[in-house]
Amino acid sequence: DAMVIQNPRYQVTQFGKPVTLSCSQTLNHNVMYWYQQKSSQAPKLLFHYYDKDFNNEADTPDNFQSRRPNTSFCFLDIRSPGLGDAAMYLCATSRGLADTDTQYFGPGTRLTVL
Amino acid sequence: AQSVTQLGSHVSVSEGALVLLRCNYSSSVPPYLFWYVQYPNQGLQLLLKYTSAATLVKGINGFEAEFKKSETSFHLTKPSAHMRDAAEYFCAVRPSNTGNQFYFGTGTSLTVIP
Repeated sequence: DAMVIQNPRYQVTQFGKPVTLSCSQTLNHNVMYWYQQKSSQAPKLLFHYYDKDFNNEADTPDNFQSRRPNTSFCFLDIRSPGLGDAAMYLCATSRGLADTDTQYFGPGTRLTVL
Repeated sequence: AQSVTQLGSHVSVSEGALVLLRCNYSSSVPPYLFWYVQYPNQGLQLLLKYTSAATLVKGINGFEAEFKKSETSFHLTKPSAHMRDAAEYFCAVRPSNTGNQFYFGTGTSLTVIP
């Protein structure tokens, strides 16, 4: 089945220690997104790639970076995680940026910062 | 500004009873509307979407939603709740003239009482 895969499902890191979260997709979608979802809150868009074009949300901290080496993979790098960065990180994909294009989500990676 | 309001952060229903989860949106132009479900420690799964076709939209797992422009609402319903419906439900809006930006509501946690 075509799908969005996130690894690992659970990640523990130390305060200030860089961490990378991984997302891959077999849908061959052009767009990949990263969302941050804190406990009992709605997902918040951090940034998205349309193909190789990177689009950062205005309020995304510089501490968060992303890489997309090819169509299938997209990484979220947190350079110096703080306690406030503990959250579920959701990756999503869509075929394009058309209004009717649905976003398909992966299972998420839950990040704990000690 | 676009926004989504989900009335009731927690809803409890008895098994077999009607499920009604409320969603109201504010948008200067007719939007596209989505309902997603999130089971514990999982990503978001699309339940259904409205993209300016039929106003009554049927989704997976017996859910449906009706777009009412006059009320700026897109409430989610299911005639008979099942234990497996217990989850977090998110309404999302994508204004039809702003590309692929999603605006999520804060979610409604559904509890099904046996």
